[in-house]
Amino acid sequence: QKEVEQDPGPLSVPEGAIVSLNCTYSNSAFQYFMWYRQYSRKGPELLMYTYSSGNKEDGRFTAQVDKSSKYISLFIRDSQPSDSATYLCAMIHTGGFKTIFGAGTRLFVKA
Amino acid sequence: GAVVSQHPSWVICKSGTSVKIECRSLDFQATTMFWYRQFPKQSLMLMATSNEGSKATYEQGVEKDKFLINHASLTLSTLTVTSAHPEDSSFYICSASRTSGGEGETQYFGPGTRLLVL
Repeated sequence: QKEVEQDPGPLSVPEGAIVSLNCTYSNSAFQYFMWYRQYSRKGPELLMYTYSSGNKEDGRFTAQVDKSSKYISLFIRDSQPSDSATYLCAMIHTGGFKTIFGAGTRLFVKA
Repeated sequence: GAVVSQHPSWVICKSGTSVKIECRSLDFQATTMFWYRQFPKQSLMLMATSNEGSKATYEQGVEKDKFLINHASLTLSTLTVTSAHPEDSSFYICSASRTSGGEGETQYFGPGTRLLVL
């Protein structure tokens, strides 16, 4: 079983829709949770960063962590064609810095 | 802040030659740098972790003699693909992290280098 599971998609939504991206994980030692956005042929860029459980909001993006279910989500409100990219979740163990990445979900937002 | 650059952004080389890729943290000192490899439509695969002034730690299955990593300073790490072959063609991404006062280490990624071996 992979430590981090993420549906690769692709996920196609109309412009303006609310997008929900998710990852599950198996190791309860993960404490730091990140979401990266990667455009085609570019390096990933950090979108959101959350420690432990709870929600974090930044503009149209909301990151949610449910440690009891070992489940994290990224919500994108009012999605735009420019949001079309691959979104990778990532996690770090307590006391470590090795980051484990999900496979990434490809998102297409249609105008 | 926290900008990481990579050079070159893309390179084409002949089979059997060596290619060097540079990763620089432009506005911060990176205690640790990471090298990743990404195949099309797949996630990042960590190749190795390097700390300035010490030998890199390679992930299982990554040949250290083929992928030479030198972390020369707190702002520069290089990856040399020795005797490159077509199967080494890939997207190579570096990242850098700095201590952030008790929080988890956030990695800042470079733009990536696309290598094509003919």
